Amino acid sequence: DTAVSQTPKYLVTQMGNDKSIKCEQNLGHDTMYWYKQDSKKFLKIMFSYNNKELIINETVPNRFSPKSPDKAHLNLHINSLELGDSAVYFCATTANTGELFFGEGSRLTVL
Amino acid sequence: AQSVTQPDIHITVSEGASLELRCNYSYGATPYLFWYVQSPGQGLQLLLKYFSGDTLVQGIKGFEAEFKRSQSSFNLRKPSVHWSDAAEYFCAVTNTGGFKTIFGAGTRLFVKA
Repeated sequence: DTAVSQTPKYLVTQMGNDKSIKCEQNLGHDTMYWYKQDSKKFLKIMFSYNNKELIINETVPNRFSPKSPDKAHLNLHINSLELGDSAVYFCATTANTGELFFGEGSRLTVL
Repeated sequence: AQSVTQPDIHITVSEGASLELRCNYSYGATPYLFWYVQSPGQGLQLLLKYFSGDTLVQGIKGFEAEFKRSQSSFNLRKPSVHWSDAAEYFCAVTNTGGFKTIFGAGTRLFVKA
């Protein structure tokens, strides 16, 4: 079983569309994250949820809306996609020791 | 505010040679420090971590890192590099609450035969 799984792995879409990326973890951790990795490999934290509650929102545009239906899931919905949203989005979890467990990433390409 | 600096964007070493990747951090208290490795098309995998205690920590795949408080550094080392070590390496710092991890810009390691 994959500890942190993301779907889809690849996503190609047009500007202006709305898309979602799903993340599920089976580690029993309370805290989940979304990170964005740009074309230069720079990793930036976007959101963090702890037990379904938002605890970190790093000034991400309102077009990005995370949703956590339960502590094993953290989904990311993006409205009105822009070219600059093209990136690899990583879901991650932690047991609050700081060590992060990452999914394999979802590569989003906006045309 | 937390920050992490990896001064080397890329490094090339010969297979069998030793390796040192540099990392400097900025944090008001004693941080939790990590090194992660990312192979192409993959997520990040933890190599090693420092929370407290012995300042020399051992990780997976033969890697080690040394925490030097006086230099605000946490450099990663390996005595003999293998071709399979070619990857992107990220240093990271987490606040002691454990909720927010900041990553350095990464160092790409190339290994030549």
